[in-house]
Amino acid sequence: AQSVTQLDSQVPVFEEAPVELRCNYSSSVSVYLFWYVQYPNQGLQLLLKYLSGSTLVKGINGFEAEFNKSQTSFHLRKPSVHISDTAEYFCAVLSQGGSEKLVFGKGTKLTVNP
Amino acid sequence: DAGVIQSPRHEVTEMGQEVTLRCKPISGHDYLFWYRQTMMRGLELLIYFNNNVPIDDSGMPEDRFSAKMPNASFSTLKIQPSEPRDSAVYFCASIPTPGQRNEQYFGPGTRLTVT
Repeated sequence: AQSVTQLDSQVPVFEEAPVELRCNYSSSVSVYLFWYVQYPNQGLQLLLKYLSGSTLVKGINGFEAEFNKSQTSFHLRKPSVHISDTAEYFCAVLSQGGSEKLVFGKGTKLTVNP
Repeated sequence: DAGVIQSPRHEVTEMGQEVTLRCKPISGHDYLFWYRQTMMRGLELLIYFNNNVPIDDSGMPEDRFSAKMPNASFSTLKIQPSEPRDSAVYFCASIPTPGQRNEQYFGPGTRLTVT
């Protein structure tokens, strides 16, 4: 079975500051990794995903994430955030070759202040 | 495409009443998922279907919950009888085949309040 830990439930930052949202996972098999974003009163939408290849993955809205297999981490970063990045961010894993069951972390609420 | 469509967007009901949530997946998507989101438990997968057949319902909390997918373009999640602890946001999501590696497309959710 897989599990996902998002170490920070809330992250407040100022506009134009860099941000890192942390995600660690546990799995006995190889996994695919995803970051989703949820804006208020909306469903989740995909930010980026790691399937294979380069461990640095670039997504929409200037976000990127780095897969670190030895540390079982997939941290999300953005060098300069905007007010509009205020949202909840979810890390998720999917076992390779297994079912379609996506396992989500509890989420990190990012608040960007002016 | 209109995306995944869910109805109603908000539902307020009294304890003991039957509640039916509806979902229309994106046309051509063969997988459909039902999730529940609460502050305490986060996002939980309740059940998912492939080609209208339930594949994994291990997340369905108890017999009060049931889900059906009578055709490729429609699914329902029913709670009977409803209880206050069922209050949550329920999401539907879909993906095309082959399912692996593909992002899940989420609907806007149904906010259920049981009083």
